[in-house]
Amino acid sequence: QVQLQESGPGLVKPSETLSLTCAVSDSSISSDYYWGWIRQPPGKGLEWIGSIYHSGSTYYNPSLKSRVIISVDTSKNQFSLNLSSVTAADTAVYYCARQTVAGTYYFDYWGQGTLVTVSS
Amino acid sequence: SYELTQPPSVSVSPGQTASITCSGDTLRDKYVCWYQQKPGQSPVLVIYRDIKRPSGIPERFSGSNSGNTATLTISGTQAMDEADYYCQAWDSSTVVFGGGTKLTVL
Repeated sequence: QVQLQESGPGLVKPSETLSLTCAVSDSSISSDYYWGWIRQPPGKGLEWIGSIYHSGSTYYNPSLKSRVIISVDTSKNQFSLNLSSVTAADTAVYYCARQTVAGTYYFDYWGQGTLVTVSS
Repeated sequence: SYELTQPPSVSVSPGQTASITCSGDTLRDKYVCWYQQKPGQSPVLVIYRDIKRPSGIPERFSGSNSGNTATLTISGTQAMDEADYYCQAWDSSTVVFGGGTKLTVL
């Protein structure tokens, strides 16, 4: 059973950078999948942030692209999210997930999610 | 940018059939998947590639995609199916989620 676990600070100050890491177990991050970040503001719907392939190839949500960097560390079997210049609107539960390729692009395994609050 | 539209809420009586729609321009040309999310939990994939069920998902969940509308159908709806449901597609190298539908079983 593939497992994903998000980690990182639960509180970030406005204008600073939100940084999260997703550790992957029972699946090699170098296998033929993308690895994605999705967030969900309290009481609202899902928003895709971006996805990365083990080669480093990335896709980003155009509305967040200017502030997002997703990177992968194959030696540690993990990938990371950096979101810069955060505001209160970035307060959300952040999920990492495994994403299939080859025309389908759905997320088949999800982490439990981590709440990040942006506040001074 | 591409948009997927879902009704905010759908109600169904136990044992009846629930249908949740997801609309988007030429949606039939894209693969659609569906997630179920219960309060405080991560989303769970219930349908992928329009019609396929992952292992472990009950047969009462089915999907279709025709024209500009994809539909998630839950036959013989049970109380445990009460949740938020999200459709998702891929367009122009971006993942697009629908706004979500709250399914109430009453």
